[in-house]
Amino acid sequence: DTGVSQNPRHKITKRGQNVTFRCDPISEHNRLYWYRQTLGQGPEFLTYFQNEAQLEKSRLLSDRFSAERPKGSFSTLEIQRTEQGDSAMYLCASSFGGDYGYTFGSGTRLTVV
Amino acid sequence: KNEVEQSPQNLTAQEGEFITINCSYSVGISALHWLQQHPGGGIVSLFMLSSGKKKHGRLIATINIQEKHSSLHITASHPRDSAVYICAVINTDKLIFGTGTRLQVFP
Repeated sequence: DTGVSQNPRHKITKRGQNVTFRCDPISEHNRLYWYRQTLGQGPEFLTYFQNEAQLEKSRLLSDRFSAERPKGSFSTLEIQRTEQGDSAMYLCASSFGGDYGYTFGSGTRLTVV
Repeated sequence: KNEVEQSPQNLTAQEGEFITINCSYSVGISALHWLQQHPGGGIVSLFMLSSGKKKHGRLIATINIQEKHSSLHITASHPRDSAVYICAVINTDKLIFGTGTRLQVFP
């Protein structure tokens, strides 16, 4: 297992387009988290899954954002009708849950032009 | 006010100096992480602690649960320690992050 994998690493898109990011967690981890990080700030929580169930969504997550983890393995995060304010680094992390450690992916950097 | 505050925001040091980064939090936590983030975004977990002190090489992390405060110390700092150091607490099954401390160590 090579850790948490995120694809693509970079995405440049025009305003109004839809984008989808993928996260492949560590296979034994049942929890998967999405965070968003803007320049100079710490990551902000977006949503998380335990297996295939989406347990919590942040109020930051507008209706244009949707996340899935259909078989409790990989997850996708889709942003519809992208806006310039969506430009950020989108980070994925996985864990066993509870007080176990987290493993982070390298992130997907989104630039909306 | 952020739930997790770090200080300082930026820190420069000469190689060999002893460095301290502080983290204060205002929410209940089950554990606290210290993380390192290099340019390009990748985040590496340095420590997870819920009490006392942990040491790994030149890095030492302490936490005082009563005072809701943690510190990360780097002894004999080196230019390769240059990175952003982020404190994050586990609250209701998710991480809440501080804004990070940007450390630059010059030879």
